[in-house]
Amino acid sequence: KNEVEQSPQNLTAQEGEFITINCSYSVGISALHWLQQHPGGGIVSLFMLSSGKKKHGRLIATINIQEKHSSLHITASHPRDSAVYICAVTGSARQLTFGSGTQLTVLP
Amino acid sequence: NAGVTQTPKFQVLKTGQSMTLQCAQDMNHNSMYWYRQDPGMGLRLIYYSASEGTTDKGEVPNGYNVSRLNKREFSLRLESAAPSQTSVYFCASSRYDQPSGVYNEQFFGPGTRLTVL
Repeated sequence: KNEVEQSPQNLTAQEGEFITINCSYSVGISALHWLQQHPGGGIVSLFMLSSGKKKHGRLIATINIQEKHSSLHITASHPRDSAVYICAVTGSARQLTFGSGTQLTVLP
Repeated sequence: NAGVTQTPKFQVLKTGQSMTLQCAQDMNHNSMYWYRQDPGMGLRLIYYSASEGTTDKGEVPNGYNVSRLNKREFSLRLESAAPSQTSVYFCASSRYDQPSGVYNEQFFGPGTRLTVL
């Protein structure tokens, strides 16, 4: 069983829709990260959080430590949000363990 | 600031050839990492350097060596390339806050696409 599981693997939405991507993990963590990888391949860190909720523009990340679960929400989605979204956790070894990513496509 | 830079961007090797992937960061980060990304596998850690002068194996270190040349630079060497090493390689860096024991967010380079024939 992978330590970090993401769902869904693929998601297609219409422009303007509210999007949720989920991440579950099975180990104790010190932090959870959400990353974005654009079609060109570059990877950008969106959020790092260890509790509660963070917001940046139209992106919101939440984490429930007791349930070992995090969600990434995108409000008013736009075609430029199309990318792979990756969840990763920092465990006891202080290394990042990554999920396999969620491919998001937002249609105009 | 350039952030994290990697060279080369693309490389094709024949089986058995050697090469070194270069990585540099200008953010004064103490920790640096090398990952590989394969379809359906997610990113996997090859080696990391928590601070200048130290290196440690990650999840998939076989067939690779690393050198933390100084605080800025962290290179990855393939001594005898194999087709199984065909992948996209990412270098990353982050700041480790020793008093709190917290590793901050990682900054990634643009990647190197390597094909081994």
